[in-house]
Amino acid sequence: GENVEQHPSTLSVQEGDSAVIKCTYSDSASNYFPWYKQELGKGPQLIIDIRSNVGEKKDQRIAVTLNKTAKHFSLHITETQPEDSAVYFCAASLRPLVDSSYKLIFGSGTRLLVRP
Amino acid sequence: NAGVTQTPKFQVLKTGQSMTLQCAQDMNHEYMSWYRQDPGMGLRLIHYSVGAGITDQGEVPNGYNVSRSTTEDFPLRLLSAAPSQTSVYFCASSYGVDSSTDTQYFGPGTRLTVL
Repeated sequence: GENVEQHPSTLSVQEGDSAVIKCTYSDSASNYFPWYKQELGKGPQLIIDIRSNVGEKKDQRIAVTLNKTAKHFSLHITETQPEDSAVYFCAASLRPLVDSSYKLIFGSGTRLLVRP
Repeated sequence: NAGVTQTPKFQVLKTGQSMTLQCAQDMNHEYMSWYRQDPGMGLRLIHYSVGAGITDQGEVPNGYNVSRSTTEDFPLRLLSAAPSQTSVYFCASSYGVDSSTDTQYFGPGTRLTVL
C-alpha cells in the first residue's frame, strides 16, 4: 500500500521568510496530492492540491511542486505571516478510483511556527 | 449547510466501556471516513465508506466498528475501549469516488481519553 513520509516535523521561520515542506510517496500509481492545514482545535482544511499531470500549481502565496520520477512533492509558502502558523499535512491518493479500495494516506504532519 | 458535525466533542471512558462517536454530513457526500490523530503520527484511516450500505477497513481498523445505513450518518463504535484508543478522532466526507478531486471536509473532532 501507499506510504507517505513528510519532513520536517517542525519548522520555525521568521515572518516574511519562505517555508518549504517536503513529502515522498511510495506508490507510483498515486496521482492526486492534496495539502491540508490544521489550526489548533480544528479539523484539517484543504489548502491546495495537485494532480500528477501537472508539475507545479500556485495559489497566491502558496505553491506545490511535484516530481513524479522521484515520487516527491513539496509545499512552498512565501512571505509567511503569523496566521500561517499551523500543522500542515500532505497526502497521496488515486483519483478517480478504479474500484472501491480507496485510501487517502496522510503524511505525519509539519508544525509550522512563524515568528513575528 | 452545517457541513460535517461530530458528537461528542470530549469523552472520557474507562477501559472496557463501549461508546459510539457520531458523525453526520448534510452535503450529500457519498464518501465518508474516520481518522484518528496521534502526536507525530498524522492522520490514520480507521474505516471508510463509499456509499450507504458499503464499508471497508482502513489502516488501523482493529477495535472499531462502523455502519452506513444512510448517506448522512457514519457512526464509529468502540466495543471495548482500551487506553491505546486514546486519541483525537476526525470524521470526514467527500464527493463520489468517480470525482477527479478529493476535497475532504473534516468535522471538528472528538477528543477521547480512555483510562
